[in-house]
Amino acid sequence: DADVTQTPRNRITKTGKRIMLECSQTKGHDRMYWYRQDPGLGLRLIYYSFDVKDINKGEISDGYSVSRQAQAKFSLSLESAIPNQTALYFCATSDPGPTDTQYFGPGTRLTVL
Amino acid sequence: DQQVKQNSPSLSVQEGRISILNCDYTNSMFDYFLWYKKYPAEGPTFLISISSIKDKNEDGRFTVFLNKSAKHLSLHIVPSQPGDSAVYFCAASRRSSNTGKLIFGQGTTLQVKP
Repeated sequence: DADVTQTPRNRITKTGKRIMLECSQTKGHDRMYWYRQDPGLGLRLIYYSFDVKDINKGEISDGYSVSRQAQAKFSLSLESAIPNQTALYFCATSDPGPTDTQYFGPGTRLTVL
Repeated sequence: DQQVKQNSPSLSVQEGRISILNCDYTNSMFDYFLWYKKYPAEGPTFLISISSIKDKNEDGRFTVFLNKSAKHLSLHIVPSQPGDSAVYFCAASRRSSNTGKLIFGQGTTLQVKP
């Protein structure tokens, strides 16, 4: 079984709709992250969380919100989706330690029409 | 402002030859660097990393070189295999900030031809 899972894997929605992307992990890590990948731009950090009570904005948080329901669950919401939020979204986890290695889920492909 | 840059969007090499992927960074506060590999329809997977106190780290066919004065790192794959065909991302972090945040480059698509 995968250590980091994301649901849904693919989603097509319309402008103005509310969308939630979910991430679960069994690695027991405290830190969780949401990224989006766009062609030519690499991965950009949207939000990150160190524990249930600690949520931080990344470099591109506008238009997004998150919820850390438990250590193992971290959800990303688009309150009112717009076409330029069409992208690949990745969740990742890590633990503080000698390295900053992050472990990624398989991604969600979101299309906003 | 792209703090981590991979200026080559793509690279094509012959099986058995060396693949060299390059990455430049601008922030001298970065002290840890990682390479990730990504296959289609999968998430990035960690490949190899290097601390700023080193200039080389090797793991099997993969070697990462760091030139701090030039703010440049490179990933060498020797010998290249068709299964190495993927998108490669370099990433940098400031471990001293204790945020675990990674700044990624744009990625380089490597194609290894049989």
